[in-house]
Order: sequence, then C-alpha cells, then structure tokens
Amino acid sequence: QKEVEQDPGPLSVPEGAIVSLNCTYSNSAFQYFMWYRQYSRKGPELLMYTYSSGNKEDGRFTAQVDKSSKYISLFIRDSQPSDSATYLCAALNQAGTALIFGKGTTLSVSS
Amino acid sequence: EPEVTQTPSHQVTQMGQEVILRCVPISNHLYFYWYRQILGQKVEFLVSFYNNEISEKSEIFDDQFSVERPDGSNFTLKIRSTKLEDSAMYFCASVGPGSNTGELFFGEGSRLTVL
Repeated sequence: QKEVEQDPGPLSVPEGAIVSLNCTYSNSAFQYFMWYRQYSRKGPELLMYTYSSGNKEDGRFTAQVDKSSKYISLFIRDSQPSDSATYLCAALNQAGTALIFGKGTTLSVSS
Repeated sequence: EPEVTQTPSHQVTQMGQEVILRCVPISNHLYFYWYRQILGQKVEFLVSFYNNEISEKSEIFDDQFSVERPDGSNFTLKIRSTKLEDSAMYFCASVGPGSNTGELFFGEGSRLTVL
C-alpha cells in the first residue's frame, strides 16, 4: 500500500473560487504533515505544516488533518492566478528523518 | 532571503559517465538532503547528511551514489556510473536550526538527463 496518495488532477478553477486539495496516508504513526507548493521548473516551497489532528490557518490557506480517517486537506480561499502550481502533500516518516510525498495535484486558476 | 543554490541547472550525460551535482545550502543550516523527482513521479528521499556523515539513506541510494561536504559551504551528490533510470530532477534541501525535518528549504533543482 502506497504511503501517501494524492489525486494528480489537473484541477481548474476560476479566480475567487475555494479550492480543496486532498491526500490520504496509510501509516497511523505519521504525526507531522506538510503542504508544499511547486511552480513549474522550481523546487518545492513549504506552505504549511500541521502536527497531529486539527486545523491550521495562514492567510487564505487552511491545512486540516483528520487522523481518524487518515485524511489531509488544504483549502485555498479566494484563489488567485498566482496560486496556479502543483501542490504536494507530505508526511514525515515514523522515524522523523525524511518526508514521504504524494504525487502532487496540479492546480490552474483562471482570471 | 537566503536560499539553497544548485548547479548545474541541467546536465546531459552519457550512460556510464560520472556526474557531480553541487549544492550550497543556507549558511546556518546543519541538516542537508538530496531528493529526486523522476518526471511525472513523486519527490523521493535519497539521503540525509549531518555532521559530515550520512544520517539516513533510502534504498534508492545504492553504491553508485555518494555525498560529500568538501568544504564549509558545498554539498555534493556524485553518481559514479549513470544509468538511464537516473534521469530525474535532483533537489538539494536543508533544514534550519530548531526546525523539524519536514520544514525543508529546497533548491531549484538540477535536471539530469542520461542518454
């Protein structure tokens, strides 16, 4: 069973839409979860991270973890064309030594 | 803003040749990593490096791979005898003091094409 799964999309939304990006994971021992944003031909950039279950908000972005269902979400409010990128979810492995990434969801926000 | 820099941005090589990818991590960071991303695939962990030695490596990081910090600033990944399947984007990353391993600062990557 693959450890972090993510629907690759692509996902296309109009400017101003609320975007929901989702991942599932298989290992209940995972505690730290991250969202990275990757623009074309660039390295991933950390957006947010959460520890265990719950929500974390940063401006237009909200990260949510539901450990009971092993579900990770990223919500983007009032989406902008500059949000067009690939969004990678990741979990810190059980030993806390390396990230396990999902495949990434490609988002396109049209103006 | 401090950043991780990588060179070259793109390297084309023949199968069987040695390749060295170079990285300059952020200056006060102490943990260094190499990840790779084969086109269309996930970003995968290769190796972590701390205090001048490998702290962890994945099963991808076999004897053909090595890492080195030859001086106080550079961090290199060497592939001894490249194979076609080594074609990928290689990302160097580092973690700052007091941050957890997931809070990585990535470089822009070095694209390796093996012919």
